[in-house]
Amino acid sequence: QKEVEQNSGPLSVPEGAIASLNCTYSDRVSQSFFWYRQYSGKSPELIMSIYSNGDKEDGRFTAQLNKASQYVSLLIRDSQPSDSATYLCAVMGWNTGFQKLVFGTGTRLLVSP
Amino acid sequence: DTEVTQTPKHLVMGMTNKKSLKCEQHMGHRAMYWYKQKAKKPPELMFVYSYEKLSINESVPSRFSPECPNSSLLNLHLHALQPEDSALYLCASSQDASGGAGGEQFFGPGTRLTVL
Repeated sequence: QKEVEQNSGPLSVPEGAIASLNCTYSDRVSQSFFWYRQYSGKSPELIMSIYSNGDKEDGRFTAQLNKASQYVSLLIRDSQPSDSATYLCAVMGWNTGFQKLVFGTGTRLLVSP
Repeated sequence: DTEVTQTPKHLVMGMTNKKSLKCEQHMGHRAMYWYKQKAKKPPELMFVYSYEKLSINESVPSRFSPECPNSSLLNLHLHALQPEDSALYLCASSQDASGGAGGEQFFGPGTRLTVL
């Protein structure tokens, strides 16, 4: 079982719709969860972080965390063509006393005008 | 200043060359990271420096040699690389190497490395 799993997509949504991106993780003791956006040929950009169960909203983005189900999601409201990118879910895990970020393989989002 | 900078942006080198990648941050962060990213794959952790000491080495071949001259700078020295080492090399920094908000990692733009 992979440590962090995401559907590779592509997830296609029309402009103005809600895009829902999902991620599951295997390490039950993980406490920190992040969403990164990566445009083709560019580096990952941190867009959301979440540490406790529930929802966290920032502009058009909402991150949701359910530790009991080991599930993290990202909702993008009013999707725009500029949101078309790969979204990486990342979970902080332990590595011999140090925290290590483990990435999922990413979900490619396509927003059509 | 919330930026991580990396030089050069692009690098082409032969298998017998020695080159270095450089990374700099001015956010007062005390943890810095090197990642390698191949096309259509997620970033893979290579090294972690915490308070200028090497904390994690993910079994990276010795042809990659990291160096942290001070808390703002991180270098990656390259020697005798193979064509399969061609990738995007990413530097990142965080407030510290712990969990929570202090562990939020911010990436530089990367160096696109091609080994001929």
